[in-house]
Amino acid sequence: KAGVTQTPRYLIKTRGQQVTLSCSPISGHRSVSWYQQTPGQGLQFLFEYFSETQRNKGNFPGRFSGRQFSNSRSEMNVSTLELGDSALYLCASSFSSGRMNTEAFFGQGTRLTVV
Amino acid sequence: GQQVMQIPQYQHVQEGEDFTTYCNSSTTLSNIQWYKQRPGGHPVFLIQLVKSGEVKKQKRLTFQFGEAKKNSSLHITATQTTDVGTYFCAGLGVSRGTSYDKVIFGPGTSLSVIP
Repeated sequence: KAGVTQTPRYLIKTRGQQVTLSCSPISGHRSVSWYQQTPGQGLQFLFEYFSETQRNKGNFPGRFSGRQFSNSRSEMNVSTLELGDSALYLCASSFSSGRMNTEAFFGQGTRLTVV
Repeated sequence: GQQVMQIPQYQHVQEGEDFTTYCNSSTTLSNIQWYKQRPGGHPVFLIQLVKSGEVKKQKRLTFQFGEAKKNSSLHITATQTTDVGTYFCAGLGVSRGTSYDKVIFGPGTSLSVIP
């Protein structure tokens, strides 16, 4: 079966702009989580969506937002980009969530560079 | 809030030596997962541990979940160059009140293997 697809793979934006990243989970998976990965900070949890509802949110400013559609595809948006937002953004899908959580399948990520 | 720590941050070993990474949570976990990320790649699921004191093996890899369900370890016997990468533990926090459990990743242990 097809894996987790993230688009675009690479993105260069200017400070102050906004960006939208997309994630298509594995067919049948209803949970989608987003992570920011930087060399010094590891994998930082952004948010998790399950059946179009945000279940959890990490400690990121309100400039970071997301949503999930009825087909489980998810988008995350970052407004008013800052240089520090440069990172690899990873999306992970899993069949279930919470106490029933199963393994997460990660996409290849979107490498965002803010200049 | 819940924190997951890993030690060491980096480990350089000679090929054939053993390697161990330790994962410690500030709170009791429902379960713990381990992931491996090769350089330039995305995290890939290795295993999930659920029961207190659980031990699982995958060829040269041995995973343990502590009795108190607050710590875990990954041990690799006779490392090979294919073991190079960053190993992350990810703990699912025990639910409190109406908050949904969320998965918190440790910062990872980066393993280098010298041939």
